[in-house]
Amino acid sequence: DIQLTQSPSSLSAAVGDRVRFTCQATQDISNNVNWYQQKPGKAPKLLIYDASNLEVGVPIRFRGSGSGTDFTLTISSLQPEDFATYYCQQYENLPFTFGPGTKVDVK
Amino acid sequence: VQLQDSGPGLVKPSETLSLSCTVSGGSISSYRWTWIRQPPGKGLEWIGYIDDSGSTNYKPSLGSRVSISLDTSKNQFSLKLTSVTAADTAVYYCARSRGMGLFDYWGRGTLVTVSS
Repeated sequence: DIQLTQSPSSLSAAVGDRVRFTCQATQDISNNVNWYQQKPGKAPKLLIYDASNLEVGVPIRFRGSGSGTDFTLTISSLQPEDFATYYCQQYENLPFTFGPGTKVDVK
Repeated sequence: VQLQDSGPGLVKPSETLSLSCTVSGGSISSYRWTWIRQPPGKGLEWIGYIDDSGSTNYKPSLGSRVSISLDTSKNQFSLKLTSVTAADTAVYYCARSRGMGLFDYWGRGTLVTVSS
């Protein structure tokens, strides 16, 4: 199975901050990575697909980048509704796998 | 598109977990339909999918315990997981898979607890 690691595992930030977190795969997965946001008690929500494509309806402050084994999700200006946990997910190979998540909380 | 998952929230050890997901607001054709689970306080785990032709693919570590079926007449797909243990306690989500492997619509999730 392809393993994904995410760093940091958690970070504290303030509204307006630019935040960046990473996802690293154990092998080349091209651009076959998606990013999801999950709030407590809710289902995950798709933010970014194919590493850098913004899902319809997702604010443009979210940006995905990377290819191969290293990927980044950037939030340009953190908003109150962005405090959540973020997961990357690969679909290069079955079984599809998720990273362990990065939790963003209030500084 | 809306996905509504349903099923018992408590299953006894060694018994079978059965969940259903009803799709409304869209056709079940031309997509893969997926189950994903999340143990309490932990990350997400892909379980498997079924496509609109009935072809399936499952996480190998679940072995023969898992099966996913499709009922197009009801716009519904289902998950069965046999011989459950406490390690199968999780929130189970159904989701629509667009393209190769992205999940764009999700059900609300059902917490299934395995306990006697």
